[in-house]
Amino acid sequence: RKEVEQDPGPFNVPEGATVAFNCTYSNSASQSFFWYRQDCRKEPKLLMSVYSSGNEDGRFTAQLNRASQYISLLIRDSKLSDSATYLCVVGDMEYGNKLVFGAGTILRVKS
Amino acid sequence: DGGITQSPKYLFRKEGQNVTLSCEQNLNHDAMYWYRQDPGQGLRLIYYSQIVNDFQKGDIAEGYSVSREKKESFPLTVTSAQKNPTAFYLCASSLAGGLGEQFFGPGTRLTVL
Repeated sequence: RKEVEQDPGPFNVPEGATVAFNCTYSNSASQSFFWYRQDCRKEPKLLMSVYSSGNEDGRFTAQLNRASQYISLLIRDSKLSDSATYLCVVGDMEYGNKLVFGAGTILRVKS
Repeated sequence: DGGITQSPKYLFRKEGQNVTLSCEQNLNHDAMYWYRQDPGQGLRLIYYSQIVNDFQKGDIAEGYSVSREKKESFPLTVTSAQKNPTAFYLCASSLAGGLGEQFFGPGTRLTVL
């Protein structure tokens, strides 16, 4: 079983739509959680950290469910510029205290 | 401007050649990392270093080597022993290693001819 799993998509949505991605992780002792954004042929960039209480940054909301071992990212009022691959990242002490990256979910926002 | 730089952006290698990818950071970060990304796959860790003059193998270290002689620099050598080196190589750094967020350089795209 992969340590971090994501639906690869693509998710094709119209501008203004709300879209949600989920990510599951296998190690219940994982301690840190992030969403990164990666544009085509570019490096990943940190979108937001994910906290136990959930957190919001403008149109983006991240949630963590430790009991079910999943992380979610909600994007409201999608923009064309949101088109990218979204990477779920988990910090896992059992993995040698390092970050584990999911393969990513592709989002395409269309006008 | 603080950040991570990688060079070259594109690199072409003939089979049997060693090549070295550069990674420099001026963020004063202690930890540095090398990842490889193949299409449709997550990033895979090649090597990492949490302090100068020390580094550890990641999941796919075979055919690669690194050095960490300076805090700012973490070059990666792709040797001829690496059987399938064509990939996108990403260098990252973090303040203190462990489970904190990492920041990435722009990457080097290596193609073996």
